[in-house]
Amino acid sequence: GENVEQHPSTLSVQEGDSAVIKCTYSDSASNYFPWYKQELGKGPQLIIDIRSNVGEKKDQRIAVTLNKTAKHFSLHITETQPEDSAVYFCAAPFMDTGRRALTFGSGTRLQVQP
Amino acid sequence: GAVVSQHPSWVICKSGTSVKIECRSLDFQATTMFWYRQFPKQSLMLMATSNEGSKATYEQGVEKDKFLINHASLTLSTLTVTSAHPEDSSFYICSARWGGQPQHFGDGTRLSIL
Repeated sequence: GENVEQHPSTLSVQEGDSAVIKCTYSDSASNYFPWYKQELGKGPQLIIDIRSNVGEKKDQRIAVTLNKTAKHFSLHITETQPEDSAVYFCAAPFMDTGRRALTFGSGTRLQVQP
Repeated sequence: GAVVSQHPSWVICKSGTSVKIECRSLDFQATTMFWYRQFPKQSLMLMATSNEGSKATYEQGVEKDKFLINHASLTLSTLTVTSAHPEDSSFYICSARWGGQPQHFGDGTRLSIL
């Protein structure tokens, strides 16, 4: 099955700085990589995703890059704001049985200091 | 965007009772729903995958007789925790998807067993 590793576990940045979170995956057949933001007491919210046929995708202040050769993908948040503070999870699909479920990274707690 | 509603958001009950959690896709027909469990400050762990009209597929280590899943329609899946005990206390989150679309998550149910 898929194994996803995520770093760092915590990240503190000043408002306006950039934040980068990195994930690696094990299954070279994986073809879809979403990023979720989870606020306290809520479910994860999809913020951006990327498919394996592209190397980068951007949506306003958020971007995701994918390196298929190295099997890693990263979330980039520019001009961070206090409301970006949350736990961020990367994920990749279970490919072995076609279940289309996701396996999640361990999460990164981002704190943006005003 | 796609909306997944989960009910109840919080439940407290005595040890030995059974608890039912509902997951509804409000604006789309979910061909597949997933149930996850999340312990404090940890990642989401997949419990089972549920397809409408068929038996759920449980992950290794998840007791199917304890965590009963029913997916009777394209918009509703239920998880029943039978004979709940304190170690079952956790945050239970469902997600839903259709076709090749991303998974969308509910806001979770916090279950506390006394």
